[in-house]
Amino acid sequence: NAGVTQTPKFQVLKTGQSMTLQCAQDMNHEYMSWYRQDPGMGLRLIHYSVGAGITDQGEVPNGYNVSRSTTEDFPLRLLSAAPSQTSVYFCASNSGTGAGGELFFGEGSRLTVL
Amino acid sequence: AQRVTQPEKLLSVFKGAPVELKCNYSYSGSPELFWYVQYSRQRLQLLLRHISRESIKGFTADLNKGETSFHLKKPFAQEEDSAMYYCALSLYNFNKFYFGSGTKLNVKP
Repeated sequence: NAGVTQTPKFQVLKTGQSMTLQCAQDMNHEYMSWYRQDPGMGLRLIHYSVGAGITDQGEVPNGYNVSRSTTEDFPLRLLSAAPSQTSVYFCASNSGTGAGGELFFGEGSRLTVL
Repeated sequence: AQRVTQPEKLLSVFKGAPVELKCNYSYSGSPELFWYVQYSRQRLQLLLRHISRESIKGFTADLNKGETSFHLKKPFAQEEDSAMYYCALSLYNFNKFYFGSGTKLNVKP
């Protein structure tokens, strides 16, 4: 049981480049979300999805796009990378109210923008 | 707006000493509160949630609505408790979580 899988684990980009962080879960969870983790600021919600075809913005959505074409996948796109987007990114999924809301996290993707 | 505050960035205690990690929240409704933990080189994982009223690895947390707090406590800290701890608040339907800035717990031998 893989749980939540994120790729890549590490990435270095130049300012202005675009890339996609991949996230897949095999637990048939309705809810998926992306967070960024920065020192002293904890985890901040970027975007989230409550089901296939439905996405919404979190606390810090600027510079990021998401889509949810299937239940399993929730990619995060950086359209034009900026140094301020240097961070560790976490994908998470949960099944909603039925299981008490526990979040299951991926291993994280460390992104450096030069 | 929902806010979760963890006032301590770092907490160092000796093995066997009691530990309390503070968490305060601001939310106008009835929140669901959680503690998540990240051990070195491991994924973030749920430690405990207030709705379950459980004790995990000797840790407990009580929701105090009057003080809007959800402090994490353990009477006797162990070295393996050293980790990063995050307090989190969720809306009633668990589709959005708000995390505090985290407290790094260091348990010294």
